[in-house]
Amino acid sequence: EVQLVESGGGLVQPGGSLRLSCAASEFTVSSYYMTWVRQAPGKGLEWVSIIYSGGTIYYADSVKGRFTISRDNSKNTVYLQMNSLRVEDTAVYYCARVANWAIGYWGQGTLVTVSS
Amino acid sequence: DIVMTQTPLSLSVTPGQPASISCKSSQSLLHSDGKTYLYWYLQKPGQSPQLLIYEVSNGFSGVPDRFSGSGSGTNFTLKISRVEAEDVGVYYCMQNLQVPWTFGQGTKVEIK
Repeated sequence: EVQLVESGGGLVQPGGSLRLSCAASEFTVSSYYMTWVRQAPGKGLEWVSIIYSGGTIYYADSVKGRFTISRDNSKNTVYLQMNSLRVEDTAVYYCARVANWAIGYWGQGTLVTVSS
Repeated sequence: DIVMTQTPLSLSVTPGQPASISCKSSQSLLHSDGKTYLYWYLQKPGQSPQLLIYEVSNGFSGVPDRFSGSGSGTNFTLKISRVEAEDVGVYYCMQNLQVPWTFGQGTKVEIK
């Protein structure tokens, strides 16, 4: 069964950094497009970033220049390095697998809280 | 950016009755490859979102056939033929014709 397990969330002060991890099982992350979607408390879904199987990367304007998506094929894991964090980055961050352009599998999410 | 607008934002439905959610995009989601990149997701309380419908009208694996999608261009609809208690949650439409991928605001469905 396809599984995505996020980790790395927590409480961080404004201006700080966190690295989220998304460990995948039963498929190879390098063969799929992998994306991050976030959800602020009580709010809707917001797309954050995507890495294509070929390595092309895109970001939402709200995180461009601060967040970096990457993957480690040997660990079958996708990462989201988040720097210069802001209060408005507080959210549950979901890692998800994209197939035929559909987000078919989602992780359980990891909560990032940016607060002083 | 493509703006996705859902209506209504909330819906209270009697079990067994139909329900319908509209999603409008600020520009056509029809790609030159002939596909329309419009998706529907359901986020049940306390859970991660789950895919219901892809490319306007195709049901994802395991999705009950009471869920159906329709539409074209900029106007799309998700219909539930007979709402069941397990259908409660927030429904989102999403486009990925172009980056950034964008979601509608969500429609909260509750049972009367």
